[in-house]
Order: sequence, then structure tokens, then C-alpha cells
Amino acid sequence: GAVVSQHPSRVICKSGTSVKIECRSLDFQATTMFWYRQFPKQSLMLMATSNEGSKATYEQGVEKDKFLINHASLTLSTLTVTSAHPEDSSFYICSARDPRTGGAETQYFGPGTRLLVL
Amino acid sequence: AQSVSQHNHHVILSEAASLELGCNYSYGGTVNLFWYVQYPGQHLQLLLKYFSGDPLVKGIKGFEAEFIKSKFSFNLRKPSVQWSDTAEYFCAAYTGGYQKVTFGTGTKLQVIP
Repeated sequence: GAVVSQHPSRVICKSGTSVKIECRSLDFQATTMFWYRQFPKQSLMLMATSNEGSKATYEQGVEKDKFLINHASLTLSTLTVTSAHPEDSSFYICSARDPRTGGAETQYFGPGTRLLVL
Repeated sequence: AQSVSQHNHHVILSEAASLELGCNYSYGGTVNLFWYVQYPGQHLQLLLKYFSGDPLVKGIKGFEAEFIKSKFSFNLRKPSVQWSDTAEYFCAAYTGGYQKVTFGTGTKLQVIP
């Protein structure tokens, strides 16, 4: 099956610094990737849809200048949390659509990245 | 707006007990429905999905779900749970109108040996 990886799995940073999270599709080319955020005891909230070669589409209420998304290749999307603050601490999960097996409804998830901002 | 609700936040069962997790969605049009499972320390995996056809869907590991359109529900069931079923379960819905998957808040299942 399709495999999606994320790096790092866990990161701790100081307030004001920027953090980059990578999402890779390992055995398929993903023209579309999705970034989610999960707060404790809450659901996954879609932050943005990342399309290879074009600008990401952000959900309402998500600051595009705060959460920079780059999808420079068919196997890699990056999420950069700029000038991170403690309220950005969360679990960030990416997913990718495998165009071989379905549309936007079929997504394969990465293992997530736990971000803690001190 | 599209939304998905899961009524049980935390369920504790003994092994061999039957399981039913509730899921309701709000959208009047055509909807694709999913159940995902997240085992401790692992990533989300697809358990089963409903697109069309037979409303009773069978998934992996003995799980099944029934789509009841009139109730806007897609409950997950398993006749006899095992300790290895301990995980968090997420219901999700996709509609072409919104072009995105919406997740429920999840249900943590703890199975006691």
C-alpha cells in the first residue's frame, strides 16, 4: 500500500524560532497532499491542501504567512511554522492522495509530528 | 457546512464484548464515509469505507459499518473485540461539494483482557 512518512516525528523549539516539517510519499507520486492539525481530545482539522507546483489552498482561519507550505516535488511537501509560539504546539499530520487509487477522498496518512514550543 | 460527530469519546470493553461506535454526519448530498483507526504510536489507517452500493460495509480485522441514509449515520461494529483492538477510531466524511475530508473527534477504545 501507499506509504507516507514525516520528519521529524517530534520537535521541541524555543518561542520565536521556525520549524520545518517534511512529508514524503515513499512509493508513489502525490500531486496533492494535505496538512492537518490535531489538538488533544479533538479531531483532525484540515489546515491546507498542498498542490505540486502551485500555491497551497488554506482553510478559513489558517494564517498562510504563519504556516508556509511548499510542495516543490511530487513526493515532498513541507510545512514551516514560522516564529512559533507556545499556542502552535500541536500534532501535525500530513496525508497524500495516491492518484492511482482514487480521488481526494482516498488519503494515506503520515505518522504525524509532535511540535512543542517552549 | 459539513460536520461529523462521534458520540462516544472513550469506551472501555472487556475482551469478547461486542462493539458499536456511533457516527453521524450532516450533509444532504452524496457523501463518502470512512472509518480510520490509529493504534498507539502508529499513524491513521483506513479501516473501511462506503462509497455506494451495499450499505453494510465490511472492513479489515472483522469490523463492519452500516450506512443508514435516513439517520445520517455510519456506525462501526465488531461482534467480539480483542485486546489488540485498543486504539482510537475516527469517523470521516468526504463530499464533492467541499472537496475535503472532515473528521469526527475520535473515540478511544480500551479493551481489557
